[in-house]
Amino acid sequence: DAKTTQPPSMDCAEGRAANLPCNHSTISGNEYVYWYRQIHSQGPQYIIHGLKNNETNEMASLIITEDRKSSTLILPHATLRDTAVYYCIVGGSQGNLIFGKGTKLSVKP
Amino acid sequence: DTAVSQTPKYLVTQMGNDKSIKCEQNLGHDTMYWYKQDSKKFLKIMFSYNNKELIINETVPNRFSPKSPDKAHLNLHINSLELGDSAVYFCASSPRTLEDPFGGNAEQFFGPGTRLTVL
Repeated sequence: DAKTTQPPSMDCAEGRAANLPCNHSTISGNEYVYWYRQIHSQGPQYIIHGLKNNETNEMASLIITEDRKSSTLILPHATLRDTAVYYCIVGGSQGNLIFGKGTKLSVKP
Repeated sequence: DTAVSQTPKYLVTQMGNDKSIKCEQNLGHDTMYWYKQDSKKFLKIMFSYNNKELIINETVPNRFSPKSPDKAHLNLHINSLELGDSAVYFCASSPRTLEDPFGGNAEQFFGPGTRLTVL
């Protein structure tokens, strides 16, 4: 079973920041948090990952709470092409990803 | 240029047939995976190979047999296809190594998927 909890759906206005929350209260000390997204039945796309520190790349920012029990993925300026299902995943000990149901993000004009 | 490619993209076949799906990655990764996404959109891992060796084998019927001729290829052969095998199958590769057990280098790159329909 997935080790994370996410809201099933969210809406965001185009051009605004999309903040996607994730709870992972049972995360172990050495487990990473990964974010992926899947756009309309395409293959899942890696976005970002982190362990303790906040991370930023060209796609998004990842904010991890100090106790590591939750995190937030931030898409700073959402576009219509960011409409997708976003998965928050705690890295498995064998490198396998255990996908949950994710959050369906709808970016609206 | 495609990093992870799968063939075919669509596969329609009759129950009882045997079929194969091929996967190739040109990223130089050591680890490759097969995932199944069913009609409810749940994505579940099936197999994982590291440098041609099987490292993950989830509870999958033994009708499914992965084969890795080299570390750039991981093919999936399915015998005696059943209706319940209808799904989208995704191949993925990762720079993950066995020396990093907690997944710090486990970002995975997925192929476009193969939609299998069993009639």
